[in-house]
Parts: sequence; C-alpha cells; structure tokens
Amino acid sequence: GDSVTQMEGPVTLSEEAFLTINCTYTATGYPSLFWYVQYPGEGLQLLLKATKADDKGSNKGFEATYRKETTSFHLEKGSVQVSDSAVYFCALSEAGANSKLTFGKGITLSVRP
Amino acid sequence: DAGVIQSPRHEVTEMGQEVTLRCKPISGHNSLFWYRQTMMRGLELLIYFNNNVPIDDSGMPEDRFSAKMPNASFSTLKIQPSEPRDSAVYFCASSFSGSSPLHFGNGTRLTVT
Repeated sequence: GDSVTQMEGPVTLSEEAFLTINCTYTATGYPSLFWYVQYPGEGLQLLLKATKADDKGSNKGFEATYRKETTSFHLEKGSVQVSDSAVYFCALSEAGANSKLTFGKGITLSVRP
Repeated sequence: DAGVIQSPRHEVTEMGQEVTLRCKPISGHNSLFWYRQTMMRGLELLIYFNNNVPIDDSGMPEDRFSAKMPNASFSTLKIQPSEPRDSAVYFCASSFSGSSPLHFGNGTRLTVT
C-alpha cells in the first residue's frame, strides 16, 4: 500500500538557519504530494502541494519539488524563523482517491532565537 | 467561513463511559474524514465519508468505535465503552471530493482515565 516516510526528529535550529526535512514515498500510481503544518493546539493546515512530477510547491518561503525518479518531496526553507516552530507532515493522495491522505509520522521543528 | 468545527475541544472521561465527538464540516464540502493522532502512531485515518456515505472504515480500531453522518453538515464519532488506550487527539477534516486539500478542525483531546 501507499506509505510516506519522514526523517526522524525532532529538529532544532537557530533563527535564519537553512532547513531541509526529508520525505520519501511509496505509491502504486501517480500521487499528489503535500506538506501540512500543525501549530500547537491546532489542526493541520496545508502548507504546499505538488500534483505531478517536477512540480514545485511553495508558500511562506517554504519549497518542495516533486521528484518522481527519487520518489521524494523534501521540504526546504532558506531562513527559518521562530514562528516556523511546529510539526510538519508529509502526505500523499492517490489520484481519484477523493482526497484520502496518507501521512508520514510528522517531525517537530523548534527554532530558537 | 468558520472552517471545520469540532466539539468538545477537550473530553475527560472514565473507562467504560460512552464518548461522542462531533464535527461540522465546511459548507459545500462533500468528503469528511476522522483521524486519530497519538505520539506512538502518528496520524491514523479511522473512517471517511463521501456524500454522507461511509467509503472506507478499515481504520476503525474495533467495534467499540462507530461513526455516523446523518446529513451533509454533521458527523459523530462514538466510542462505547471507552478505554484508556483510546486517549488521543481526534481530528475531523473535510474537502470537496476530487479537489484536495483537506481542511482540518482543531481537534478533540480525549483523555480516558
């Protein structure tokens, strides 16, 4: 079945550091890929998405590129802020799956001033 | 739009009691999902509905769990009888079928003592 694997956490960075969070996936078809973010005490929010190979999703300074050849969708940000501290989830949705999402385990990012 | 609304935000109950969690999806969305989040297992899809019909309930842990969607604007997740291992944050999410992303509520934190 479908699965999403994220790097182990937690991750602690200093403000303005470069961020990379790895995500790889296994799917039978051609899924859409997503990054969701969860701030403390809240539900998940969509951060960015990509629906086909080589697409780049971007939002709030975060970027991720859909790499079919490596089945990856790594999240990057050039300069993190304290306000980026949250839990980040990589997810996929198979085409025609009515938006049913398969999530990775999530990784906690803490950014210190 | 008010977003996905879940109630209660917090529920503390004793083992053996019945627990009912409620969800109001975003108006116009026709897919609704119930997820459970724990530290050990991450986000697990319990069940999802499309046009008020349960499509996939393979994630429901056991017969103690049941979910209903009597109309397009309301769903419940019931646990009877509850057990301490059911303690988790339960999220409801909705979307327009065939058009991701999911919109999540803020969750219900359930504690069973």
